[in-house]
Parts: sequence; C-alpha cells; structure tokens
Amino acid sequence: QSALTQPASVSGSPGQSITISCTGTSSDVGSYNLVSWYQQHPGKAPKLMIYEGSKRPSGVSSRFSGSKSDNTASLTISGLQAEDEADYYCCSYAGGSTNWVFGGGTKLTVL
Amino acid sequence: EVQLVESGGGLVQPGGSLRLSCAASGFTFSIYWMHWVRQAPGKGLVWVSRINSDGDSTTYADSVKGRFTISRDNAKNTLYLQMNSLRAEDTAVYYCARGTRAYAFDIWGLGTMVTVSS
Repeated sequence: QSALTQPASVSGSPGQSITISCTGTSSDVGSYNLVSWYQQHPGKAPKLMIYEGSKRPSGVSSRFSGSKSDNTASLTISGLQAEDEADYYCCSYAGGSTNWVFGGGTKLTVL
Repeated sequence: EVQLVESGGGLVQPGGSLRLSCAASGFTFSIYWMHWVRQAPGKGLVWVSRINSDGDSTTYADSVKGRFTISRDNAKNTLYLQMNSLRAEDTAVYYCARGTRAYAFDIWGLGTMVTVSS
C-alpha cells in the first residue's frame, strides 16, 4: 500500500489561508470517511487536528477545517499564525490488510 | 492527566530483539484500541500495528508482519511491542497512540528511539 500523496511544502503569510491536499485511492480515502489530520512540531509528538474528514477534537482551533471529495481530502488553515508552522500529516483507514495509511507529510512555513 | 509514556528503546544490532513498553494513565486503558506508529529520522509517520481492547485481535503493517508482536496487559495499563529480527530500516522513533472510534489517533506518547546498527 502506497502512502497518501501530499505536497512536500506549502507556505503562507500571517492572516492568510492555506490548503493542504491529500490524495489517495478508491481503496482508502475514497472508500471511507475516516481521514484524520495531524500537526507535528519539530521534536514533538503528533497532535490530532481533524478526524472523520471534517470534525475537530475539543480544543482545536476553528481555524482548522477539513473536507473530502472523491479520493482527495484537504486541510484548510485560515488566519495563519506563526505557531501553525509545523509538519502536517493526513491519514486514512484503508481496511483489509492495509489498515491505516499516512501521507508523506507537508511542511507548512509561515512567512 | 491523560498520558502515554513509551520506554525500552535503544541501540540494537541487526537481527536482534527489543521490547517496547507504553504505560498509560489518566484514562480507562482497557476499553481502547491501541496502536504503534513509527517515524524514521527525517521521514514521515508510518502505522505499525494495532490491538483491540481485549487483546485478542491484532493487525500489522506488511513491513513488520511475522517479526513484531503487539500485546497488552490491561491490569498493568501497559501496551507492548516485541520486535524481533530487527533490520536497519526499523530504525525510528516509535510512538504508542490511543485509537478512537473514528479510526484516528487522539493521544500520543513522546516516543522512544530505536536504532538498529552494527
């Protein structure tokens, strides 16, 4: 099972919005509404930001939102802030013998 | 405070074995699925293994199947990963993570580093 496809890097200025895409297949992203997104700062553990494609855990800013269309999921961060600078990973349940598959990660730079 | 703390990492020679532990606190460990996720230096996250709440159902990534064994002791609130026949490509930080009903990972430990090298 190949990893989900994410852009290696995205950037934006404070206050702007950015979107990170996550492309899978009909066997993972396209089959299940079970995409999650994680934020990871350098040297830190990942943090759950979005689950079931668009739901935010308690405590996660409303500036973070998620969506899905066919085999592609997206994470949008609005009103960019300096502390949003981090690596972001998507993940999808894929069932069968694959179980869970992550994207390769996207480095967000806040200019 | 909900917390996961991994231990047991270290330097091991190729072909060797290591057992990782993950101590859970602050929540009812016995009702949650638990996972191991790893991250090679400078690389992305990779799901490794999952165990159900009772410990009687496990699944593995193809890359570790037959070499790694996940287990748990609900009386001790502890998750384990027995790693045998270790290879250089198993070098990574290993995180334990709590699973949710939405098939996500909502609580993560700080990780433990495993280095496989001669």
